[in-house]
Amino acid sequence: EAEVAQSPRYKITEKSQAVAFWCDPISGHATLYWYRQILGQGPELLVQFQDESVVDDSQLPKDRFSAERLKGVDSTLKIQPAELGDSAMYLCASSRLRGRPQETQYFGPGTRLLVL
Amino acid sequence: AQSVTQPDIHITVSEGASLELRCNYSYGATPYLFWYVQSPGQGLQLLLKYFSGDTLVQGIKGFEAEFKRSQSSFNLRKPSVHWSDAAEYFCAVGSGEKLVFGAGTILRVKS
Repeated sequence: EAEVAQSPRYKITEKSQAVAFWCDPISGHATLYWYRQILGQGPELLVQFQDESVVDDSQLPKDRFSAERLKGVDSTLKIQPAELGDSAMYLCASSRLRGRPQETQYFGPGTRLLVL
Repeated sequence: AQSVTQPDIHITVSEGASLELRCNYSYGATPYLFWYVQSPGQGLQLLLKYFSGDTLVQGIKGFEAEFKRSQSSFNLRKPSVHWSDAAEYFCAVGSGEKLVFGAGTILRVKS
């Protein structure tokens, strides 16, 4: 069964450093999501892509976070500079179609970030 | 704004006992509702979803959920819990194309 791949699985960094996370969605999935999950909370959407275009980045802290999906396939989420409050699990998800809220989102295993 | 409340942070049940996890949502229109499960260190796996029709929805791993519009609830149930069900469970409402999640309920299973 196809899965969403993410790397690295764990990342420890010092504050003010730059970090980057990679996601490879299920083949053929047009929509890709990045979520942030703070310990003890549910995931919160950071950014949504349809193919290579950003559909929703209203919750992305754009002063330090950036995301791209250049060829409409895999995606990178970057934080620069990292802050202590960025410590969280970063989850990537993909779905087959856009515009259908009932479409199932398939989640990757996540990247756990610890900022010291 | 859309929101999801899971009133129970932790629940402990004995293996073989029945389970009910509560979920209440706030949404203006007909909701799309989901239950996901997250095992430690893992991503989220979809258990079941509701869009319309029969208000009792069957999912994977023997789980079911019932949509009650009058109570704005979508509670998850399982008649007999297995030790492997220990995990964190998230209820979510579809808001446009994005999911709004509750804070989750951690299920512990005691033998």
